[in-house]
This record gives sequence, C-alpha cells and structure tokens, in this order.
Amino acid sequence: KNEVEQSPQNLTAQEGEFITINCSYSVGISALHWLQQHPGGGIVSLFMLSSGKKKHGRLIATINIQEKHSSLHITASHPRDSAVYICADTNFGNEKLTFGTGTRLTIIP
Amino acid sequence: GAVVSQHPSWVICKSGTSVKIECRSLDFQATTMFWYRQFPKQSLMLMATSNEGSKATYEQGVEKDKFLINHASLTLSTLTVTSAHPEDSSFYICSAARGSTGNTIYFGEGSWLTVV
Repeated sequence: KNEVEQSPQNLTAQEGEFITINCSYSVGISALHWLQQHPGGGIVSLFMLSSGKKKHGRLIATINIQEKHSSLHITASHPRDSAVYICADTNFGNEKLTFGTGTRLTIIP
Repeated sequence: GAVVSQHPSWVICKSGTSVKIECRSLDFQATTMFWYRQFPKQSLMLMATSNEGSKATYEQGVEKDKFLINHASLTLSTLTVTSAHPEDSSFYICSAARGSTGNTIYFGEGSWLTVV
C-alpha cells in the first residue's frame, strides 16, 4: 500500500526565512505533485516532477527517486505564502493521487 | 492555461434534499475526472474516479447510490449528493488530468456543502 508522509505538520516562520517541507513515499511512483491549498479551500498545483529539480519563482521542488523523498523549498518567505502545502503522488498506469497529510505553513510578518 | 471550473462554490441545503455539483474542464477534454472530499483539518480523500461514457469507480466505503456521478461528456462531470445529511457537510473538489500520460492535474475551485 502506498503511503505518503509529510513533515512537519505545522510550521511557523518569520517573513524572509527559508522554508523546507519534506515528503516521503513508500512505493515507486510516476510523478510527485506539490499542491498549495489556500484557506478558502482552492488548490493550486505548484509542481509535478518525476526526477531532479524544478524552480518557479521563489519555489523550488526536488525529488530523489532512490530515496523516495521530495522537498519543497520557499526562499524569502512572505505572509502570502501562508497556506497548506500538500504532496501527492501518482503511480504508473494509475492517475489517482495519494495525498500526504499536508503541512500548514504560517509566515509571520 | 488549462482551467477546471467547479460550481457552485458553496451551497446550503436542507436534510433529505439532493445537491448537484458540476466540474467542467474549460479548454481541454478530460476522459477522467476525480472527486475528492475533505473534512476540516483532514486530508483530501478520493471518493471516486469519473470516466467519460462509463460508470464511475468508487473508493471503498463510498456509497455509490448516495454519491451519484455522471460523466456524460468529455468536459463535464457531475456529483450529486442524494438525500443529504448533516454529516455530508464537507468540502468537495474535483480534478482532471490533461495529456496522454495524465500527469498534468488541474483542480476545480472546490464546493463547500453545508447540510442543515
């Protein structure tokens, strides 16, 4: 059974700090997704990766296939980054997402 | 870019009534859509996989007669919560996969359902 674990569950940081959220999964995957869920509930897909590293603005996502581990980094964090960040994976031949429990990030001005 | 639109954003209904939530892919065809439910401070849980032109595939523990899913076209899937009860109050959200590998996933805005 595929399990996706995230850490930390909650993270509070000062504006400007470098943020790291970790995600581990238990079985081989075809892709790892990082999602951002705002307080209103809407979900935005931040990254989809199957290897290496991707960068978009202040966000960086990395994945290590051998270690079954991915990280999401936020540089120069800002209060508007406050949200729940969720990692999820899809397995080969299956489009269904398996979700992590989410990390609630709060950036204090 | 690709957009998945969900409607309504929020709805309040009385116990025993039915509520329909629509999920549309606006600029691409989605042969497969997914419906999720999320209770407060909990993870998203997959309810069912909606397949265009065929029956939906429900996850274990999800009542198919209570949560009716129809995927009549390549751009529209609907979720109907029948005979709603207060415990059905939740956040419902859909997603659709784009591309041959299905790995580009887009989410609807979500629908907040409150049953009173």
